[in-house]
Amino acid sequence: ETGVTQTPRHLVMGMTNKKSLKCEQHLGHNAMYWYKQSAKKPLELMFVYNFKEQTENNSVPSRFSPECPNSSHLFLHLHTLQPEDSALYLCASSQERSGSNQPQHFGDGTRLSIL
Amino acid sequence: AQTVTQSQPEMSVQEAETVTLSCTYDTSESNYYLFWYKQPPSRQMILVIRQEAYKQQNATENRFSVNFQKAAKSFSLKISDSQLGDTAMYFCAFRGGTYKYIFGTGTRLKVLA
Repeated sequence: ETGVTQTPRHLVMGMTNKKSLKCEQHLGHNAMYWYKQSAKKPLELMFVYNFKEQTENNSVPSRFSPECPNSSHLFLHLHTLQPEDSALYLCASSQERSGSNQPQHFGDGTRLSIL
Repeated sequence: AQTVTQSQPEMSVQEAETVTLSCTYDTSESNYYLFWYKQPPSRQMILVIRQEAYKQQNATENRFSVNFQKAAKSFSLKISDSQLGDTAMYFCAFRGGTYKYIFGTGTRLKVLA
């Protein structure tokens, strides 16, 4: 089983829909991340959770709502999205400790299209 | 604020040749880590190589090596003996003292047969 699993792989939704993206990591890591990847732009860090506590929220609009029930699962709840929110959403995990150079492990991403 | 710049949006290289992808960054931190990630068309981003800023020796992983110039804030990736499977987007990333990883815009590398 791959280390970081994201579902669904593809999602098409209208602007008034509510949907959720799911991420699960099987690596025993203590930190999980949501990124937005748009064409010709750097990966945008959205949210970071460490030991289930949110440590970063990079001015993400409230129509994106993260949830981290435990250190293995991460959700991104979507509501009333805009066309510019269409992108690839990547989940990642890492083992964080002081002075660590541990890299992030990524999932395959969810390709989100807003109609 | 930290920034990461990859000035080459696209590059191509003949199979078996060597190619170098450039990356520069800006930071006021003295201790940090640098990474190169590869994202093939199948989309999963995987780590290629990493470098600790306090280490002067350049990191090497098989055909992949870096040229880390701390004073110049430069972190280029050299791929030797390029293979068709190296075709991918390559992202340079910076990580300082927090959980924040800063990524560049990526370089699309195409290896030609």
